[in-house]
Amino acid sequence: EPEVTQTPSHQVTQMGQEVILRCVPISNHLYFYWYRQILGQKVEFLVSFYNNEISEKSEIFDDQFSVERPDGSNFTLKIRSTKLEDSAMYFCASGGAGQPQHFGDGTRLSIL
Amino acid sequence: DAKTTQPTSMDCAEGRAANLPCNHSTISGNEYVYWYRQIHSQGPQYIIHGLKNNETNEMASLIITEDRKSSTLILPHATLRDTAVYYCIVGLSGSARQLTFGSGTQLTVLP
Repeated sequence: EPEVTQTPSHQVTQMGQEVILRCVPISNHLYFYWYRQILGQKVEFLVSFYNNEISEKSEIFDDQFSVERPDGSNFTLKIRSTKLEDSAMYFCASGGAGQPQHFGDGTRLSIL
Repeated sequence: DAKTTQPTSMDCAEGRAANLPCNHSTISGNEYVYWYRQIHSQGPQYIIHGLKNNETNEMASLIITEDRKSSTLILPHATLRDTAVYYCIVGLSGSARQLTFGSGTQLTVLP
């Protein structure tokens, strides 16, 4: 069964550094998403992406965040200057037309 | 998006059916009911979704009341591996709209 894959599984970064989280969505999906989950808290929506542009974004997704689909297969989330509070699990999801969203297993981001 | 209400936690004996309720009284006509689960910090796993009719797949059954204000997810023969947080989410299908996760129901399957 096709699945969403995310790399790396764990990223440790110094505060203030840039980090890029990578996702390979399911191949025929059209909609792409990033969510995050701070330890012990709810899964929170960050951004959705369709037709090469952002469709919707939450208050969390400020100027420090950006997304890109650099080629036909990858979907990335960049955090320009990481803060301690960016430590969380980051989940990528993808969905097709009329299809539910399917999630990857996440990247654990630890900011030191 | 419509809000959902779920019990905080439930227990179920292994091998028995687990029935997880969800209230979504403000659901609108074109919104679907989705169920996901999350096993200990893994990514949310899609289980099933429906609009009006009851649905069944290899994982579970979804029963939606006629007025669509509530639904029940049924795991017919729960196993220890079904221990997870189960989320009931209401939203539009096949769009770029976000899924809004609540706190879900912690289902513990007991041996």
